[in-house]
Amino acid sequence: EPEVTQTPSHQVTQMGQEVILRCVPISNHLYFYWYRQILGQKVEFLVSFYNNEISEKSEIFDDQFSVERPDGSNFTLKIRSTKLEDSAMYFCASRAGVGWDEQFFGPGTRLTVL
Amino acid sequence: DAKTTQPTSMDCAEGRAANLPCNHSTISGNEYVYWYRQIHSQGPQYIIHGLKNNETNEMASLIITEDRKSSTLILPHATLRDTAVYYCIVRVESWGKLQFGAGTQVVVTP
Repeated sequence: EPEVTQTPSHQVTQMGQEVILRCVPISNHLYFYWYRQILGQKVEFLVSFYNNEISEKSEIFDDQFSVERPDGSNFTLKIRSTKLEDSAMYFCASRAGVGWDEQFFGPGTRLTVL
Repeated sequence: DAKTTQPTSMDCAEGRAANLPCNHSTISGNEYVYWYRQIHSQGPQYIIHGLKNNETNEMASLIITEDRKSSTLILPHATLRDTAVYYCIVRVESWGKLQFGAGTQVVVTP
């Protein structure tokens, strides 16, 4: 069964460093999303992406964040200058875009900012 | 903010049916109800969704009241692996984000 994959599974970085989280959505899916979950808190929406552009973003997704689909398979989330409060699980999701079909989530990347 | 209300937690005996309630009294006519679950810190897993008719798949059944102001997710024969946080989500647009609330922590006991 097709699945969303994410790498790395765990990323440790120093405050102020740039990180890139990578996702490979399910093939032929058209809509892509990033969510995050701070330990013990709710899953929060960050950004949605369709047709090579951001379709919606939350207040969390400020200028320090960017997303890109550099080729036909990868979908990346970049954090330019990480802060301690960026420590969280980051989940990528994708959906085919047929009617009200579901979003499929990846296993997540645990980001730890020291 | 999430448009749903769920109990914080519930226990269920292994092998019995688990009935998870959800209130969504402000749901609009074209908004769907989705259920996801999250086992420990894994990625949320899709379970089922519906608009107004009852739905069933290999994982669960979804019962939506006629006025659509509430729904119940039914896990017919709960197993220990069904221990998870279950999220009831009202989705506003087909392309849009999922707004997760706190969900219901379900613990299945032997």
